[in-house]
Amino acid sequence: AQSVSQHNHHVILSEAASLELGCNYSYGGTVNLFWYVQYPGQHLQLLLKYFSGDPLVKGIKGFEAEFIKSKFSFNLRKPSVQWSDTAEYFCAVNARDNFNKFYFGSGTKLNVKP
Amino acid sequence: DAGVTQSPTHLIKTRGQHVTLRCSPISGHKSVSWYQQVLGQGPQFIFQYYEKEERGRGNFPDRFSARQFPNYSSELNVNALLLGDSALYLCASSLERSGYYGYTFGSGTRLTVV
Repeated sequence: AQSVSQHNHHVILSEAASLELGCNYSYGGTVNLFWYVQYPGQHLQLLLKYFSGDPLVKGIKGFEAEFIKSKFSFNLRKPSVQWSDTAEYFCAVNARDNFNKFYFGSGTKLNVKP
Repeated sequence: DAGVTQSPTHLIKTRGQHVTLRCSPISGHKSVSWYQQVLGQGPQFIFQYYEKEERGRGNFPDRFSARQFPNYSSELNVNALLLGDSALYLCASSLERSGYYGYTFGSGTRLTVV
């Protein structure tokens, strides 16, 4: 069975600090990978996704993520966070051979202090 | 362009009752997925429907059922409600099943079982 682990449950940063949120998945086959963000009071929104090609993917609002196949990881990064990045971030995967099922991690709450 | 619409936004039910939740996808989206999000956890996959057929099912009991209508809207039904069914129920729609074009989420229905 697939699972997605986000080890940081709550991260507090000051504005301009760099961000890296960890995401690891367990699945033996090929996967598609996603990061979603949920701003306070809003619905989940897609930040970025990886399906194939360059393992470094760039998303909206200056976010990027790197797929490291050997480590089963898809960490999210941003060089300099802003107060407006305060939100909850979810990593998600689905399998290439069974993309009907979509698995989310438990989420990381990011609090950026102004 | 309207996003994914879910109704109702909130409801309170008693243990043992039945509930029906509704979802209208973005126009042109043929895939609808349902998720349960318990407080403090990431969304858990319940069902995916595509072209009115069930294409994927998560680890939920048979008390949970769903269907998709010819206009691609969808209903999630839960019978014999338990206290543990209290959660935010999310609907997501996409053009196709893999999520390549991204899933668009609704704001959810908050179900409280008392």
